[in-house]
Amino acid sequence: AQSVTQPDIHITVSEGASLELRCNYSYGATPYLFWYVQSPGQGLQLLLKYFSGDTLVQGIKGFEAEFKRSQSSFNLRKPSVHWSDAAEYFCAVGGGGNKLTFGTGTQLKVEL
Amino acid sequence: NAGVTQTPKFRILKIGQSMTLQCTQDMNHNYMYWYRQDPGMGLKLIYYSVGAGITDKGEVPNGYNVSRSTTEDFPLRLELAAPSQTSVYFCASRLLTGLSGNTIYFGEGSWLTVV
Repeated sequence: AQSVTQPDIHITVSEGASLELRCNYSYGATPYLFWYVQSPGQGLQLLLKYFSGDTLVQGIKGFEAEFKRSQSSFNLRKPSVHWSDAAEYFCAVGGGGNKLTFGTGTQLKVEL
Repeated sequence: NAGVTQTPKFRILKIGQSMTLQCTQDMNHNYMYWYRQDPGMGLKLIYYSVGAGITDKGEVPNGYNVSRSTTEDFPLRLELAAPSQTSVYFCASRLLTGLSGNTIYFGEGSWLTVV
């Protein structure tokens, strides 16, 4: 069965500092991997996705993520966090089939 | 671009009442989904549909029903509301073909409270 682990429930960073949100997945084949962001009271917005090819993928809002097959990880990074990045972030894994499995989310707080 | 539209955005139900959450998408996507989101639990799949006339259970289907009579619409019905169904519900859709077909697009959510 596929699964996603986001080990950090809450993370606090200072504005301008770098950010890394961790995501580990379990999947039986080559996974499709996603990061979504959710602002309070809003739906989920796709930040970036990995299907194949270059293991470093660029997304919107200056985010990037690196797929590391050997570590079963797909960590999200941003070099300099802005106060508007405060939100909840979800990692998800799926394949060519129907099911997309989400992690439990990481709540990001940005201190000014 | 309307994308995925859910109604209502907020609703309070009494225990035992019934209601339908509406979902419609204008992207001609064949796959549609209903998820529920509870604090600290991420998103759990309730039901999904691979096309008009076809639906299937997800991880947490109990207490819910769905139908898919058209490509655009995928309503979620709660027949006898229970407090355990207090949650945020998200409808989503996906196009089957192509690499971009593995991206799921979400509606803005429906906040349901059962008292």
